[in-house]
Amino acid sequence: DTGVSQDPRHKITKRGQNVTFRCDPISEHNRLYWYRQTLGQGPEFLTYFQNEAQLEKSRLLSDRFSAERPKGSFSTLEIQRTEQGDSAMYLCASSILARRAGDTQYFGPGTRLTVL
Amino acid sequence: KNQVEQSPQSLIILEGKNCTLQCNYTVSPFSNLRWYKQDTGRGPVSLTIMTFSENTKSNGRYTATLDADTKQSSLHITASQLSDSASYICVVSLSGTYKYIFGTGTRLKVLA
Repeated sequence: DTGVSQDPRHKITKRGQNVTFRCDPISEHNRLYWYRQTLGQGPEFLTYFQNEAQLEKSRLLSDRFSAERPKGSFSTLEIQRTEQGDSAMYLCASSILARRAGDTQYFGPGTRLTVL
Repeated sequence: KNQVEQSPQSLIILEGKNCTLQCNYTVSPFSNLRWYKQDTGRGPVSLTIMTFSENTKSNGRYTATLDADTKQSSLHITASQLSDSASYICVVSLSGTYKYIFGTGTRLKVLA
């Protein structure tokens, strides 16, 4: 257990429905990342928050995807009008900047989304 | 294009043997390189992190090397154990951004 939690762990939904995932980072971590991982692939960067500010978004994050971190603590990732291609593991990671070698990301267990 | 390539794609070894996993990257400008271990159905866990000035970093039975000139890294696992069965992912961070470029991983299976 890394200290990063995600909810739910599994989500099955029908195409066209909206889904929302939650990530609770390690409490003192000010950086939060969302990634998407499909089977046999490494995680792909989706978006990054520093405190409550969303500083970077990948082009993978289409208009149907939105992420928030309203108080700089937990974060939510919403997918609207889900498509079968959205089926993947959604990973959240948090970190705090370390001066020498950059930050070490601690990953949550992920939310596995299946769109039928 | 910023890419991270890993080899082999998969590897099967017997318990107690050593193995070496490779990572080549074209990410530039480079900030640091990390190796993660990911068990099936779980999030990745950090093993090592190296900046461009570091050549080697150890974490127990795991030793990572980095050659920033040739843009190559390796992860050496000594005296493998059944619990080492997992995917090992090489990750390179892009200097000046918050982006991390992940490789597709090497799936290691350790057999008794």
